[in-house]
Amino acid sequence: EDQVTQSPEALRLQEGESSSLNCSYTVSGLRGLFWYRQDPGKGPEFLFTLYSAGEEKEKERLKATLTKKESFLHITAPKPEDSATYLCAVQAMGSGNTGKLIFGQGTTLQVKP
Amino acid sequence: DSGVTQTPKHLITATGQRVTLRCSPRSGDLSVYWYQQSLDQGLQFLIQYYNGEERAKGNILERFSAQQFPDLHSELNLSSLELGDSALYFCASSVLAGGQETQYFGPGTRLLVL
Repeated sequence: EDQVTQSPEALRLQEGESSSLNCSYTVSGLRGLFWYRQDPGKGPEFLFTLYSAGEEKEKERLKATLTKKESFLHITAPKPEDSATYLCAVQAMGSGNTGKLIFGQGTTLQVKP
Repeated sequence: DSGVTQTPKHLITATGQRVTLRCSPRSGDLSVYWYQQSLDQGLQFLIQYYNGEERAKGNILERFSAQQFPDLHSELNLSSLELGDSALYFCASSVLAGGQETQYFGPGTRLLVL
C-alpha cells in the first residue's frame, strides 16, 4: 500500500536556527513528490515538485531534496513567517490515469523570534 | 491566491441534512480533485473529475457524490450528514504539461455538522 510518513510531527525552532523535515514514502513507482505549505484554516500552497532521486529545488530559505526512499525539506535561517504546517505528498505510478495525491500527516513548524 | 475558488467558506448544518460544496478551477485547468481534511485522518483524496468525466475515486462514502459541469466547475454533494463528516473540504485543479501535473488548492470549505 502506498504510504507517506512525515517526521517530526512538530518542530520548534528559534529564528535563524536551521533544520530539516523528513518525508519517507513507500510507493509502487514514484511519479512525483510534492511539498506544500499550509497555514491554519487555509488551503495547501504549492512549494516544490521532485521527480527523480538526486533532484533538488530551492526557493528562498527552503530547499527540497529527494532520494529513492525519502525527501527532506531543509529550512535555512528560518523566520517567524515560515511557521506553518508542511505537507509532503506523492503521486504513484500505479495510480492509473489519475494524479491523486497521497499525503503525509504533516510537520507543524513554529519559529520563535 | 491559487486561482481556485470555493464556496461557501463555512457551512454549519445538522445531522441528516444535505449540503453542496462548489469549486471553480483555475482558468484552463481540466482536472478537479476533491479532498477531505480532518484532524485524525489528514488530507484524504475523495474523487477526481477530468473534463466532465469521473476519473478516479478514493475514500469517498456512498452518501457523497460529485459532478463536473461543462464550464468545468465542480460540486460535491454530501447527504445524510453525520457528526463525523465535519471537516475541511478542499478542491484542487491541475493541468498536465510535459507529463508533469501540479495541483493547486482552493481555500476550502469548513463544514460543521451539529
